[in-house]
Amino acid sequence: QVTLRESGPALVKPTQTLTLTCSFSGFSLSTRRMCVSWIRQPPGKALEWLALIDSDDDRYYSTSLKTRLTISKDTSKNQVVLTLTNMDPVDTATYYCARMAHGSGNFCLYYGMDVWGQGTTVTVSS
Amino acid sequence: QSALTQPASVSGSPGQSITISCTGTSSDVGGYNYVSWYQQHPGKAPKLMIYDVSYRPSGVSNRFSGSKSGNTASLTISGLQAEDEADYYCNSYTSSSTRVFGTGTQVTVL
Repeated sequence: QVTLRESGPALVKPTQTLTLTCSFSGFSLSTRRMCVSWIRQPPGKALEWLALIDSDDDRYYSTSLKTRLTISKDTSKNQVVLTLTNMDPVDTATYYCARMAHGSGNFCLYYGMDVWGQGTTVTVSS
Repeated sequence: QSALTQPASVSGSPGQSITISCTGTSSDVGGYNYVSWYQQHPGKAPKLMIYDVSYRPSGVSNRFSGSKSGNTASLTISGLQAEDEADYYCNSYTSSSTRVFGTGTQVTVL
């Protein structure tokens, strides 16, 4: 059974750096064509794709947030970490991680996000 | 990268069919067959309903189908049921090697 779970602080102050961890089981990021994405959703608003990391340690980022985001993985711990610098109240959102392993082609970014974590809510406020 | 455009809301009566559109550009929806659709009930994580434009993951009802024409992808729900009431989001691969979501559509079962 594939599961993912996000963890991190519920509250951060403006200008701080947010660090979120996605802990997963039931698959390995050392398997080819397996990858994990981060997605966020501000209260009452649409989903926004943030970043992806694949089994080759290739990383892809949202164009608008690229300068503030870093994604990394620890294959031995089955974890993916996302950092977002210079937090602002507009970054208040539920942050999700999801496995991307459903689709054709040989590029993870082509795939659907087939299993999601429950999400973790982050509020940015002083 | 701008969000893909979806209607804010679509409604239908039980048993009817509804279609949700998702309009992008030739740099995303129109350029690739890598469109997926997600269902999200209030307070829940999204669920993958369609990938690669028209393929259903195992366990997803065959009442859900996807298609694409030009720069617009579509999700059709046939035999609408009360449990289909949710928000729906499209998502596409882009030429910038990113993914982009749609603006979201609230489906109401009358």
